[in-house]
Amino acid sequence: EVQLVESGGGLVHPGGSLRLSCAASGFSFNSHAMHWVRQALGKGLEYVSVISSGGDRRDYANSVKGRFTISRDNFKNMVYLQMGSLRAEDMAVYYCARGRYDYGDYVVFDDWGQGALVTVSS
Amino acid sequence: QSALTQPASVSGSPRQSITISCTGTNSDVGGYNYVSWYQQHPGKAPKLIIYDVNKRPSGVSIRFSGSKSGTTASLMISGLQPDDEADYYCSSYSGDDTFGGCLFGTGTKVTVL
Repeated sequence: EVQLVESGGGLVHPGGSLRLSCAASGFSFNSHAMHWVRQALGKGLEYVSVISSGGDRRDYANSVKGRFTISRDNFKNMVYLQMGSLRAEDMAVYYCARGRYDYGDYVVFDDWGQGALVTVSS
Repeated sequence: QSALTQPASVSGSPRQSITISCTGTNSDVGGYNYVSWYQQHPGKAPKLIIYDVNKRPSGVSIRFSGSKSGTTASLMISGLQPDDEADYYCSSYSGDDTFGGCLFGTGTKVTVL
């Protein structure tokens, strides 16, 4: 059974930093691109970031480019999202998702974690 | 790039069938057979229920079916059940300057009367 478990969410002041982690199990982790998708309270889904199966390619939505960094550890089956210079508009539930296809192919989110809530407030 | 357009809400009685539309352009829905649908119950993570317009992942009920005509994709739920009450989001590949080529719909709240 595929499992994705996020951690690291919490309250952070505007301008602060936070690192989200996602522990993956139940599938061949190093064969899949991994993604982060966020959802503000009561709002729709926003695609945030992707990292290739090997970790050598990564990309970001314009809204977070230059402030967020995605990474992965294929030995530990972990994917991370380092978030910096956080703004009120970054406040959302962040979901880790397994891609059906690898980086560069069209995106289908096969499995999702339960989400990690990031609250940005002074 | 604007989000794909979905009706805000759709409702139906148990055992009825409903259809949710997802309207885009020739640069996304109309140009590719790469439409997915996700179901999201309140407080839960989204779940993939349709991909590649009309394919169901293993374990997804056959009551869910997808189709596409021109620039509009559709999700039909037949034999509506109380557990189908959820939010539904479509997604499409976009050939325009969209991050990751991934465009989400605005979301539709399905209510079972």
